[in-house]
Amino acid sequence: RKEVEQDPGPFNVPEGATVAFNCTYSNSASQSFFWYRQDCRKEPKLLMSVYSSGNEDGRFTAQLNRASQYISLLIRDSKLSDSATYLCVVNLYNTDKLIFGTGTRLQVFP
Amino acid sequence: EPEVTQTPSHQVTQMGQEVILRCVPISNHLYFYWYRQILGQKVEFLVSFYNNEISEKSEIFDDQFSVERPDGSNFTLKIRSTKLEDSAMYFCASSPEGLAQFFGPGTRLTVL
Repeated sequence: RKEVEQDPGPFNVPEGATVAFNCTYSNSASQSFFWYRQDCRKEPKLLMSVYSSGNEDGRFTAQLNRASQYISLLIRDSKLSDSATYLCVVNLYNTDKLIFGTGTRLQVFP
Repeated sequence: EPEVTQTPSHQVTQMGQEVILRCVPISNHLYFYWYRQILGQKVEFLVSFYNNEISEKSEIFDDQFSVERPDGSNFTLKIRSTKLEDSAMYFCASSPEGLAQFFGPGTRLTVL
């Protein structure tokens, strides 16, 4: 089983739509969780950390369910500039490395 | 806003040659990392570096790889004898506290 699993998409949505991405992780020792975005041939950019209580940053809302080992990202009022690949990322307890999912591609069209 | 920088942006080399990839982490960060991404695949951890020593490395980071922080600002990744399969995008990252990591723009390494 993959350490971090994501639906690769693509998700094609119109501007203004709400879209949700899901991610599951296999290791219960995962302690920190993040969403990064990656534009084509560019570096991953930190979008937000994900906290157990859920957290919001503008149009973006992240949720974590430790019992189900599941993370989600909700994007409201999609913009053209949101088109990118969204990477679900976890960090295991007592390690330095980030473990990346393969990403979910989002394409927002006018 | 401070950023991680990397040079060169693109490096082309012949198989068997040595390459050095350079990074300048964000200045007040204490943790440094190298990752790689083969085209079309996920980002993979190579090595982490803290307090002037390697703190963790992956199976990929074998004897042909080494890292160094030669001065207070640079952080380098050396690949001693490049193989075709080393062709990838190499990302440097840094972190202030060892959790959220901030990535540089990457060096695209092409081994011929």
